[in-house]
Amino acid sequence: AQSVAQPEDQVNVAEGNPLTVKCTYSVSGNPYLFWYVQYPNRGLQFLLKYITGDNLVKGSYGFEAEFNKSQTSFHLKKPSALVSDSALYFCAVRADTGRRALTFGSGTRLQVQP
Amino acid sequence: DADVTQTPRNRITKTGKRIMLECSQTKGHDRMYWYRQDPGLGLRLIYYSFDVKDINKGEISDGYSVSRQAQAKFSLSLESAIPNQTALYFCATSDLVGSQHFGDGTRLSIL
Repeated sequence: AQSVAQPEDQVNVAEGNPLTVKCTYSVSGNPYLFWYVQYPNRGLQFLLKYITGDNLVKGSYGFEAEFNKSQTSFHLKKPSALVSDSALYFCAVRADTGRRALTFGSGTRLQVQP
Repeated sequence: DADVTQTPRNRITKTGKRIMLECSQTKGHDRMYWYRQDPGLGLRLIYYSFDVKDINKGEISDGYSVSRQAQAKFSLSLESAIPNQTALYFCATSDLVGSQHFGDGTRLSIL
């Protein structure tokens, strides 16, 4: 079985401050990890993924995520938040073997205040 | 044009009606998925298909059925709609790694 936990329903941060959105996962074997963002009335958009290699992954819009195998975490980060980053963020995981679909977390709403 | 197109974008219908949601893609991906999104529950997988002859149930397939008419088309049916199937429905495609591309969703309300 595979699962994802996003422990925070909402994260509030002031514009210009660093932001972190947390994600932990459980999977048999090695993980493929993803972050997606959803704006109102739109589908999810891909931000970044970890497959293998460097634990720090850089993605779209200045976001990055750090894979930590010992803590089974894949937290999303950005050094300086923008008001336009306000959206719903989803973490997802699948095992690197087998014919599996992604499992998504419940989502974290990011609110960036001016 | 969008890579993943869902029709209709909005639908209001009555309990007991049969409903079909359609999805078409121009990504050329073999893998396609149907999810529903409910507030606080994230995305839950209904059905997925890894190629035209492959259909798999997801975690919440009861009350739903699918048809993979071609590589580019994957439709979701509610045989007899009930109010707790009111939700936002998403179709997605993916490459072999699993990077998914989503449509803009169908907002379905069942009265």
